[in-house]
This record gives sequence, structure tokens and C-alpha cells, in this order.
Amino acid sequence: QKEVEQNSGPLSVPEGAIASLNCTYSDRGSQSFFWYRQYSGKSPELIMFIYSNGDKEDGRFTAQLNKASQYVSLLIRDSQPSDSATYLCAGFNFGNEKLTFGTGTRLTIIP
Amino acid sequence: GAVVSQHPSWVICKSGTSVKIECRSLDFQATTMFWYRQFPKQSLMLMATSNEGSKATYEQGVEKDKFLINHASLTLSTLTVTSAHPEDSSFYICSASPGDINSPLHFGNGTRLTVT
Repeated sequence: QKEVEQNSGPLSVPEGAIASLNCTYSDRGSQSFFWYRQYSGKSPELIMFIYSNGDKEDGRFTAQLNKASQYVSLLIRDSQPSDSATYLCAGFNFGNEKLTFGTGTRLTIIP
Repeated sequence: GAVVSQHPSWVICKSGTSVKIECRSLDFQATTMFWYRQFPKQSLMLMATSNEGSKATYEQGVEKDKFLINHASLTLSTLTVTSAHPEDSSFYICSASPGDINSPLHFGNGTRLTVT
């Protein structure tokens, strides 16, 4: 079982709709979770991070964390074509200082 | 915000030669930096953790004699791919954190290595 699992997609969402990206993790030692966006051939860029149960909103993005279910999600409202990218979920374990990435979900926003 | 600079952005080298990649934290000190490798359509895989003033910690399956890491200062870590071979062609990315327990990792722009 992979430590961080994501549906590889591709996930296609119409422009203006809400895109929902999901991630589950197996390491209960992971304390902080990060969503990165990666365009093809580019380095990942941080979208959001969350470490408390519940929701965290930043503009069009909302991250959700449920530690009991070991589940993290990212919602993108009013999806734009520029949101088309691969989204990487990562969990950070401060004990061993390891950031473990999922394989990423490829998101395509359809104009 | 925290900035991590990586150089070069891309490099093409002949098989058997060595390549050095630099990773600098521009506006913060990083006692720890991380080196990742990403093959096409695959996720980031941690290669090693670079520790300032001490030996790097390598992940299982990563040859420490092939991927030499030096972290001589709080703002600079280098990765040297020695005796590169075509199978070493990949996207190498470094990252660092300002050290706040809740501060995320910041990534360099990556280095595209092609070994011919």
C-alpha cells in the first residue's frame, strides 16, 4: 500500500465548475499536508497546506483534512483552464522529516 | 516569501561525465534540504536529505557514491551525479524549509538532466 494515494485521473471538469481532488494517507505520523500544482516539465508549486482537522480556505481553493479518516481533499471553485495541471498531495512527518508525495491527479478544465 | 534557487535549469552531458546541481535558499537559512527525482509521468521520489555540516541521509536504493551531496553552508546544497548514464536522465528538484514546524517546503525550479 502506498503511503499517500491519489486517483491518477485524468479528471475532467467544465470551466466554472468545482473540481474535487482527493487523497488518502496511511502514515498516522503525518501531521501536515500539502497540495502542490505541477505543470508539465515544471517544478511543483505550493497551493495550500493544512494541519488541523476541518476546512481551510484561500481564494478559490479549499483544503479539507479528516485525520480520523486519514483523508485530505482540495476543492477548486470556479475552475479555470489555467488550473489544468497535475495536483500532488503530500504528507509531512515531523518525526522523520519526510515529505511523502502521492502520484498526483491530472486535472483538465474544459472550456 | 521563501525562495529556493536551483541551477542549472537544464543540462546535457555525455555518458561517464559528472554533473553538479546547486540548490540555494535565497532568503532563509536551511539546515536541511531535500533532493527529489522525478521521471516522466511519475511522482516525486525523495532521493536524500541533505544536512548542513554532516553527511546526507540517502533513501533506500539510492547510491550514495553516485549521487554525492554536499551541504557546506546554511544556504547551499549541491548534488553531483557522478559517472552519469542515460538512465540517470531525469528531472531533479531540491527543496528546503525555513524551519517553522508549520512552514511548507519550497521547491527549486528543477534541473532537467539528459545524459547522452
